[in-house]
Amino acid sequence: NAGVMQNPRHLVRRRGQEARLRCSPMKGHSHVYWYRQLPEEGLKFMVYLQKENIIDESGMPKERFSAEFPKEGPSILRIQQVVRGDSAAYFCASSPREGRTDTQYFGPGTRLTVL
Amino acid sequence: GENVEQHPSTLSVQEGDSAVIKCTYSDSASNYFPWYKQELGKRPQLIIDIRSNVGEKKDQRIAVTLNKTAKHFSLHITETQPEDSAVYFCAASSWEYGNKLVFGAGTILRVKS
Repeated sequence: NAGVMQNPRHLVRRRGQEARLRCSPMKGHSHVYWYRQLPEEGLKFMVYLQKENIIDESGMPKERFSAEFPKEGPSILRIQQVVRGDSAAYFCASSPREGRTDTQYFGPGTRLTVL
Repeated sequence: GENVEQHPSTLSVQEGDSAVIKCTYSDSASNYFPWYKQELGKRPQLIIDIRSNVGEKKDQRIAVTLNKTAKHFSLHITETQPEDSAVYFCAASSWEYGNKLVFGAGTILRVKS
């Protein structure tokens, strides 16, 4: 009974490098949400994706951040030219059904540290 | 957009006492209200949720109440134990906004033994 998988669990990058965070939803789930948690703060919505579609990216910073959920493979959150302020825990969550409110199950998160 | 406020920010109780955390939301379109527990360095774990067609839900020592008119909902933990110590987040979502969760700022609960 595999839950939501994320990797890597910890990622260290130097300023200016790229960070790629991966999320595999629970089996049977086709909806993926990404959230960011800054140190000692709450979770903030970033983006909502279905297979091959970005549904809502209203929480994504306008520059350097992008996300995808291809037909095959995990969802990817990509951060280009990272800065120290990007240091945070990035969680993805998945849910199963379309067109109705439903429970989101969270992955273990990727903790990004920018040196 | 939706805004969720959560109180208190920290709560200390004696083991065996009850703990209550309250949240208010702004958007009447919100219809799903989950509560998550997060231990240090771990993922948020769903502990209970309630939908807008229900006023109260209970699961063993945990209960949630919802007042749609006043737009507030509360988490109640009875007979607290040291392992209940964690950060608790409330959230609200609606199908209208793609089910994205809008979280409160969190409550640090400390249960003293």
